Amino acid sequence: GAGVSQSPRYKVAKRGQDVALRCDPISGHVSLFWYQQALGQGPEFLTYFQNEAQLDKSGLPSDRFFAERPEGSVSTLKIQRTQQEDSAVYLCASLTGQRRWETQYFGPGTRLLVL
Amino acid sequence: GIQVEQSPPDLILQEGANSTLRCNFSDSVNNLQWFHQNPWGQLINLFYIPSGTKQNGRLSATTVATERYSLLYISSSQTTDSGVYFCAGTYQGAQKLVFGQGTRLTINP
Repeated sequence: GAGVSQSPRYKVAKRGQDVALRCDPISGHVSLFWYQQALGQGPEFLTYFQNEAQLDKSGLPSDRFFAERPEGSVSTLKIQRTQQEDSAVYLCASLTGQRRWETQYFGPGTRLLVL
Repeated sequence: GIQVEQSPPDLILQEGANSTLRCNFSDSVNNLQWFHQNPWGQLINLFYIPSGTKQNGRLSATTVATERYSLLYISSSQTTDSGVYFCAGTYQGAQKLVFGQGTRLTINP
């Protein structure tokens, strides 16, 4: 497709389980972002990739959160030993990275519920 | 600090009404943008508006950078305008976005 896709769209996990969330950016987009959106809140930055390099991970809330983009296209956000406070929508966004400023294109998100 | 504040938090209107949404932002925030998040969660960029005024159909936005605020105007509201409207900006010279808390707009038929 032409847009950013994410899978799964919904994920229910038991507390303590590990989860992996996938993001397929728009083809050719160099830059990729992950955001976390808690219920009733605005999205909050988690981490940023330029190609395969993770240039900013200052928003990751704990060392249980890990993101990778090994070939510079698809990215995976992994959450280990999930906790109830991890319940949120996880949004992925991409942009070409070729201009000084450009809009970010967002995926539909993965809604994670930790029981 | 980095602050992006939106008001009102909630707005309920009848179809056909006009609305104004406000965003105040601190002086460390740049590249102000407006997004619409539809009821299914999809975020769509409406305007890139670091200063000045832009219009797109029934929507327009104005940013007064010297006074650190932006306004989003929606005229002749339709039920499809319902959702959450976010303003967001960049900071620290990076492209990561900092979002406000959003304004939830409900347009009743």
